[in-house]
Amino acid sequence: DSGVTQTPKHLITATGQRVTLRCSPRSGDLSVYWYQQSLDQGLQFLIQYYNGEERAKGNILERFSAQQFPDLHSELNLSSLELGDSALYFCASSPGTLQETQYFGPGTRLLVL
Amino acid sequence: EDQVTQSPEALRLQEGESSSLNCSYTVSGLRGLFWYRQDPGKGPEFLFTLYSAGEEKEKERLKATLTKKESFLHITAPKPEDSATYLCAVRQGATGRRALTFGSGTRLQVQP
Repeated sequence: DSGVTQTPKHLITATGQRVTLRCSPRSGDLSVYWYQQSLDQGLQFLIQYYNGEERAKGNILERFSAQQFPDLHSELNLSSLELGDSALYFCASSPGTLQETQYFGPGTRLLVL
Repeated sequence: EDQVTQSPEALRLQEGESSSLNCSYTVSGLRGLFWYRQDPGKGPEFLFTLYSAGEEKEKERLKATLTKKESFLHITAPKPEDSATYLCAVRQGATGRRALTFGSGTRLQVQP
C-alpha cells in the first residue's frame, strides 16, 4: 500500500458526460501528479500540482482540468468524454523536494461507452 | 524531447533462470531514473531510483544499474511471483517539472 488513495476504483459513463476523479496524497506529500495509461499509449503525464498551484502540464486535453485543494487532495475533471478517453487514470504523490520519488495510487479505471 | 525505450517488450523465463531487462534513455539533464513494477490493473509500485552513472541498487532478487545511456534491471533466480510488467522512467532537470517520462515496459512471465 503506497498511502495514495483514489476514488472511485471503477467508473462507467457515456460519451459526452463529465466525471470527477479524486486523489488523496500520502501524508506530508505536497506534490500531486496525474497520469493516464491506455493500452496503446502507455503511462502519459497529464498535470502536476504543488501545494495547491499548477506546476507543470503534459499532454492534457483542454477538456480535462484539475485542481489541488487546501487539504492537498486533488481532483481531475474530465468533460465531453469520448470513447478514446477510456483508460486507467493514476495519481501519484511526492514530498515536493528535489530528487523525490513518486508513489502511485491504485488508479481509477474509466470506461466510456 | 525525453525518450525511454525498454527491451524486450515481453520475456518468458523459467523459475530460477536469471536475465536482464534493458532501459535506454535520452534526456536533457537526468535527475533520476526510476524502476517500477506493475501488476495488471494495479498502480505502479516503486522499486529503485538511480541518479548517477555507476550507481547500483539491490532488493531481494532484483538489482538495478545505471550508465550514461541505459539502465539494466537484473533478475536473479526469479520466482513466479516476480511476474509483472517492469516500467522504467526518467525525470529531467527542468526547473519545476518533476513529471516522469515512462517507457512502454517489459512484461515478464516466470513459469514454475
